[in-house]
Amino acid sequence: AQTVTQSQPEMSVQEAETVTLSCTYDTSESDYYLFWYKQPPSRQMILVIRQEAYKQQNATENRFSVNFQKAAKSFSLKISDSQLGDAAMYFCAYRSASSGGSNYKLTFGKGTLLTVNP
Amino acid sequence: GAGVSQSPSNKVTEKGKDVELRCDPISGHTALYWYRQSLGQGLEFLIYFQGNSAPDKSGLPSDRFSAERTGGSVSTLTIQRTQQEDSAVYLCASSLGRTAAQHFGDGTRLSIL
Repeated sequence: AQTVTQSQPEMSVQEAETVTLSCTYDTSESDYYLFWYKQPPSRQMILVIRQEAYKQQNATENRFSVNFQKAAKSFSLKISDSQLGDAAMYFCAYRSASSGGSNYKLTFGKGTLLTVNP
Repeated sequence: GAGVSQSPSNKVTEKGKDVELRCDPISGHTALYWYRQSLGQGLEFLIYFQGNSAPDKSGLPSDRFSAERTGGSVSTLTIQRTQQEDSAVYLCASSLGRTAAQHFGDGTRLSIL
């Protein structure tokens, strides 16, 4: 079974600065997807960024980028120019890409609570 | 509506009562998922629907939990004889297909007294 570990329960960053959230995962599969979701107090899980394991290039989405290290099974999220609206719980998630398997199920880490200080 | 809609937003009930949680997915999304988010366990997968059928119910924690989906649209998660450990946020998500990006609702916060 796959597991996702977020070792930082809480992080804080000053507005306009950069912060990196860590995520590691364990899998025996070679093809999979990794995600970062943001959950503000409204509770809705919002997809921030997605990475396909077969792609070597790191995904970016505006101020959000990832550092995907497949051999190390590491998938960190970098938020640049942090804004007050970035304050939320951030979840790292894994999904298999193998056909016929549980390739619909998201496996989540425990989350990292990000505080942005003005 | 444009997004996944869940109701009620909050539900408080007494131990032993039955509760029904509703999820209205994004129009056209054939896949629907229920997850549970609790302090001790984090986010856990409960059940997956493709159309009206549920190929994977493996995450349902006990036989007190059941779910159905009708007309390939609205889904209801039912918890019978609620226990205090059922207190959690129940999140619903939908997607165009089983491998497409999942879009989540705001969840139902269930509190068992």
